[in-house]
Amino acid sequence: TQLLEQSPQFLSIQEGENLTVYCNSSSVFSSLQWYRQEPGEGPVLLVTVVTGGEVKKLKRLTFQFGDARKDSSLHITAAQPGDTGLYLCAGEVGSARQLTFGSGTQLTVLP
Amino acid sequence: EPEVTQTPSHQVTQMGQEVILRCVPISNHLYFYWYRQILGQKVEFLVSFYNNEISEKSEIFDDQFSVERPDGSNFTLKIRSTKLEDSAMYFCASRLALAGELFFGEGSRLTVL
Repeated sequence: TQLLEQSPQFLSIQEGENLTVYCNSSSVFSSLQWYRQEPGEGPVLLVTVVTGGEVKKLKRLTFQFGDARKDSSLHITAAQPGDTGLYLCAGEVGSARQLTFGSGTQLTVLP
Repeated sequence: EPEVTQTPSHQVTQMGQEVILRCVPISNHLYFYWYRQILGQKVEFLVSFYNNEISEKSEIFDDQFSVERPDGSNFTLKIRSTKLEDSAMYFCASRLALAGELFFGEGSRLTVL
């Protein structure tokens, strides 16, 4: 079983601060995805990282895939209240490329 | 923008009853999935479906569960005899290709009493 552990589980910060969320595994993944989930809604894809060492930027969000393709991080610069939500990492496994999800990081950005 | 739609949004049922959760995937998508999320826990894979058959299933997807694509547009998850521990949010997802983006529906909340 390939497990993904996310940390921290909860994060509450002030508007304007920077933060990093981590996603770690002992297994190698062909790709890792980051999702954001709002209450009462399904996860929405933010980014997919495929190559070890890859860095992708999405406005104030920076995603990094570890060299060994076992871990990933999400860094948010100058967080805003609109960034509040549950951030999930997920790795693709199996022939159907089904996702195994991390436990999530609940981010709250206070104005 | 095309989206995956799920019905009902919330269903309350008695233990032992059959439940059917319905999903309409994005119209040209070929790969379909069901995931569930028990309150406070991880999103978990249940089953994947392609070319009118199950391609992968998890250990959660036991004989009480079945999936069907009856008419080329709907994709249903049936739980034959619900248990208390089946209470969860059930998400349908679809993608055009295996390498394509996975789109999730808003979920169906199932409460088993």
